[in-house]
This record gives sequence, structure tokens and C-alpha cells, in this order.
Amino acid sequence: DTEVTQTPKHLVMGMTNKKSLKCEQHMGHRAMYWYKQKAKKPPELMFVYSYEKLSINESVPSRFSPECPNSSLLNLHLHALQPEDSALYLCASSHPGLAGGPDQETQYFGPGTRLLVL
Amino acid sequence: SQQGEEDPQALSIQEGENATMNCSYKTSINNLQWYRQNSGRGLVHLILIRSNEREKHSGRLRVTLDTSKKSSSLLITASRAADTASYFCATYTTGGFKTIFGAGTRLFVKA
Repeated sequence: DTEVTQTPKHLVMGMTNKKSLKCEQHMGHRAMYWYKQKAKKPPELMFVYSYEKLSINESVPSRFSPECPNSSLLNLHLHALQPEDSALYLCASSHPGLAGGPDQETQYFGPGTRLLVL
Repeated sequence: SQQGEEDPQALSIQEGENATMNCSYKTSINNLQWYRQNSGRGLVHLILIRSNEREKHSGRLRVTLDTSKKSSSLLITASRAADTASYFCATYTTGGFKTIFGAGTRLFVKA
């Protein structure tokens, strides 16, 4: 099974809502990633979990909160988002490097959640 | 400017022709990968080349890496309409956790 699943596929939310994006993989990968992608732009890395340890892109605002309940699941909690946060949110997973850090082997991406913030 | 600049930004060719995309980067890397993305969906991994490799093949794909010039190229031979997509290079920087994607090349293959 080389699939990464993401739910929901589409999400529309108001600026006062709280919602969560979910990601799941059953490939035994111990590194999981959240990316944000705006239209016609490359994906930008937001968060990395390697062996359930979090690494953060310092530029990501605190209204995005990741959670890794176990090695197969990854959540992204959203609260008080802004319209400019509207984007495609991609989850990916990979095998981390031997040192325990997220050495970049092949990343397997989910289909993404298209988020619209009104 | 970001790691992994790509050119051209857009490329339009006829079916059967070859397509070449280039990627340049700024810092030392462990490896460089190429991905394809169709119409704003998830990315599909195409090929990974390590910093100690110079060339790699996979089917109709040929990737080269020149670490002295900090550049890579992706060649798609005998292109098909189904190859129409955006292509991104991605670098993993030595000693860090960051995966950085290039701006991407939008390839359009006309049938």
C-alpha cells in the first residue's frame, strides 16, 4: 500500500471556525509532512514529524497547529484562519534517515485538501 | 530567492518531442528529486538522484546532476499528451530538515 489519504477533499470555513485536516498512511513511514501550496506556486513546507518529533517552519503562524497522534496519523488543526490561508494543503510521508532526522527519501503525497477561508 | 529555481517556467511541445527542464539551487544538498503534479492534485515522485551521482534513468526520464554548477536537468523523451503537468525539483539541504521545492515548469504536450 503506497497510498497517503487525506480528508476532507474540500473544506470551506469562516474565519471564526475551528476545523481539522487529517492524513493517514500505512507504509510504515516515520516521517510525515504538511505543505501549503498556493495556485501556480510550489509547495511550501510547514511542519515535519520524524519519529513523532516535530520540526517547525518558523514562518508558519500559530493559527496552524499540527498533531501526530501516532506514526500513521497526522492532523492539522486550523483556528481563526485568514482568507490568505486559502490554499491546497498537502500531506506527505517518507522514511526518515538513519540519524532519526527527516533525511529526504522519496516522499509520497496525498491528494490534498483544498481549503477556502471566507 | 528560493532554493531550486527552474527554467523554463512554461514549455509547450508537440507529442513525440523531447522536453528538457532545468533546476538550479544554492546550497549543498544530500539529494535532488523531481516530482510531477497534475492540475493542483498531489505530487507524484518521479526520480531521486543523490549528490554523488551524475546521471540517472527511469523509463523515458533522464536526470542529470552537476553539483559543481548546482544544477540538475530532467529530460522526458518521446513526450505524450499524458505528460502534460507541472514538474518540480526538490532539494533536501544538508544538515537541515528542509525540503525546498523549485518554482516548477508547466509542461504542455500537444497531441
